[in-house]
Amino acid sequence: ILNVEQSPQSLHVQEGDSTNFTCSFPSSNFYALHWYRWETAKSPEALFVMTLNGDEKKKGRISATLNTKEGYSYLYIKGSQPEDSATYLCASRSYGGSQGNLIFGKGTKLSVKP
Amino acid sequence: GAVVSQHPSRVICKSGTSVKIECRSLDFQATTMFWYRQFPKKSLMLMATSNEGSKATYEQGVEKDKFLINHASLTLSTLTVTSAHPEDSSFYICSARDLAGDYGYTFGSGTRLTVV
Repeated sequence: ILNVEQSPQSLHVQEGDSTNFTCSFPSSNFYALHWYRWETAKSPEALFVMTLNGDEKKKGRISATLNTKEGYSYLYIKGSQPEDSATYLCASRSYGGSQGNLIFGKGTKLSVKP
Repeated sequence: GAVVSQHPSRVICKSGTSVKIECRSLDFQATTMFWYRQFPKKSLMLMATSNEGSKATYEQGVEKDKFLINHASLTLSTLTVTSAHPEDSSFYICSARDLAGDYGYTFGSGTRLTVV
């Protein structure tokens, strides 16, 4: 059974602070790591799909890194803004599983105070 | 970008009744859609894979007769919770993969089901 763990569970920061979260996942049979941003009452928004060890991706003020050998990914937000407040989900996909079987973490809930 | 529309967003039903949840891919064709469920303070868990024109594939422990899935067209998949009971109360969300896009899976906005 695969387990994806995210930490912290929740995070409160001030506007302008930079922050980061962790996603750990089993490294065996790794295929891809997905990051989503999920605002209440909206659809989860895809941020990154990462597959290669050492991958680093960036989208505006948000970036992510991937270490498939040790099984972790970091998501960084530079200069947090109130509109960044959301739950950030990571999900791992492995070889051999059904193509939709993303194993999700419980998410990190970020609140950014103005 | 790819959009998946899910309805209803919230539904309350009586025990013993059935509830249908729809997911539509609005600007792409989805031969496969995925249905997830999330209990409070838990992770999203895959329930089943919906295949256009064929039977759905259910994950272990998910009752196929309880959760009927129909994927009659390339843009529509439905999940029907039959003879609903309070323990079926949960958050249900679908996703589909736009093979032409770069971002993997596109999700609907989810359905909060409450069975009273």
